[in-house]
Amino acid sequence: NAGVTQTPKFRVLKTGQSMTLLCAQDMNHEYMYWYRQDPGMGLRLIHYSVGEGTTAKGEVPDGYNVSRLKKQNFLLGLESAAPSQTSVYFCASSIRNTGELFFGEGSRLTVL
Amino acid sequence: AQSVTQLGSHVSVSEGALVLLRCNYSSSVPPYLFWYVQYPNQGLQLLLKYTTGATLVKGINGFEAEFKKSETSFHLTKPSAHMSDAAEYFCAVSRGSGSRLTFGEGTQLTVNP
Repeated sequence: NAGVTQTPKFRVLKTGQSMTLLCAQDMNHEYMYWYRQDPGMGLRLIHYSVGEGTTAKGEVPDGYNVSRLKKQNFLLGLESAAPSQTSVYFCASSIRNTGELFFGEGSRLTVL
Repeated sequence: AQSVTQLGSHVSVSEGALVLLRCNYSSSVPPYLFWYVQYPNQGLQLLLKYTTGATLVKGINGFEAEFKKSETSFHLTKPSAHMSDAAEYFCAVSRGSGSRLTFGEGTQLTVNP
């Protein structure tokens, strides 16, 4: 029972490079989320999706794009990475928007 | 708008001692309240939640929290700390079903032998 799987788990980028983080869930959840976690700031919502083919902005969407072409996958893209995007990124999913989220193990991104 | 304040970014207790992690919230409507735990190098997992009904909520691993509307608080407690409780704990609030979560800044719990 995999739950929520994130790839890659670690990545180092140079400023200006692009990359995509992949999140996959096998629980048939409708809602999916991308958060970033920074020391002393808790978790901040980047983008979220309420179903296949839909996306919406969260608290800190600038510099990121997302896509939800399949219900089980939620992709987070960085078109031109900046050092301020150095963070740990977490994907989560939920059956509905009830606050009961299931998280992946995180993807640690460093932008030099 | 809703917000969460966790008092104390670091809390240290001795093994066997009481654990008390403080959370205060602000919300313009009756809130849904949550505590999540994050063990090292892992994602967050739900510890317990309050939506409606009984204000004392029991969660996993012996933790419980009490919703106190008059104090706008949802403090997390455990009578006796174990070494395995060492983790970061996040309080979160939403405005109810259909509303997104707002997380607090987290409290790192250290348990000393």
